[in-house]
Amino acid sequence: GQNIDQPTEMTATEGAIVQINCTYQTSGFNGLFWYQQHAGEAPTFLSYNVLDGLEEKGRFSSFLSRSKGYSYLLLKELQMKDSASYLCAVSDSNYQLIWGAGTKLIIKP
Amino acid sequence: EAQVTQNPRYLITVTGKKLTVTCSQNMNHEYMSWYRQDPGLGLRQIYYSMNVEVTDKGDVPEGYKVSRKEKRNFPLILESPSPNQTSLYFCASSTQPGQGAGELFFGEGSRLTVL
Repeated sequence: GQNIDQPTEMTATEGAIVQINCTYQTSGFNGLFWYQQHAGEAPTFLSYNVLDGLEEKGRFSSFLSRSKGYSYLLLKELQMKDSASYLCAVSDSNYQLIWGAGTKLIIKP
Repeated sequence: EAQVTQNPRYLITVTGKKLTVTCSQNMNHEYMSWYRQDPGLGLRQIYYSMNVEVTDKGDVPEGYKVSRKEKRNFPLILESPSPNQTSLYFCASSTQPGQGAGELFFGEGSRLTVL
């Protein structure tokens, strides 16, 4: 079966750096997405990786290793507004998105 | 403003009373999809549509119907709601789903409670 794993919850301190991991086993691979979802709101797109390596976008970076079935989202200089759930989703061989359950990130002052 | 609009945002209903959740997008996207989100389970796809008059089942289609008569609209129909359909529902649209330019644009969500 297809499976996406990410930690349920993480806690970090304002101003610090946090890495949210995502491992996947899917039928084919056409890219990996990260979305941010604040409580009670809709998910919003953060990043897309289809090739191995690191993609940097401001304070957020996303890394992919296709051979390991692994990705991470790196958040630097954490701010209170970064408190949210972070969803990992993989596009399979049919371009259908397989979603992880999400990682709830709690930022403490 | 580019957006996906869902209605109603909140609804409490009773078992068996048919209801429709509307979804409309103004971005001329061909692809539209419905998800439900439950605690600990993440987003689960109910139905999706690659284009007008083309709909397909997602992972959890039982108890739901959809139609795609126009490009911009993709209503979700619960013919006979049951308590296990209590959930947070999201409609989403995209140009190229699952591809580089295919980020999903989500509606604000519809919180449904079935008593």
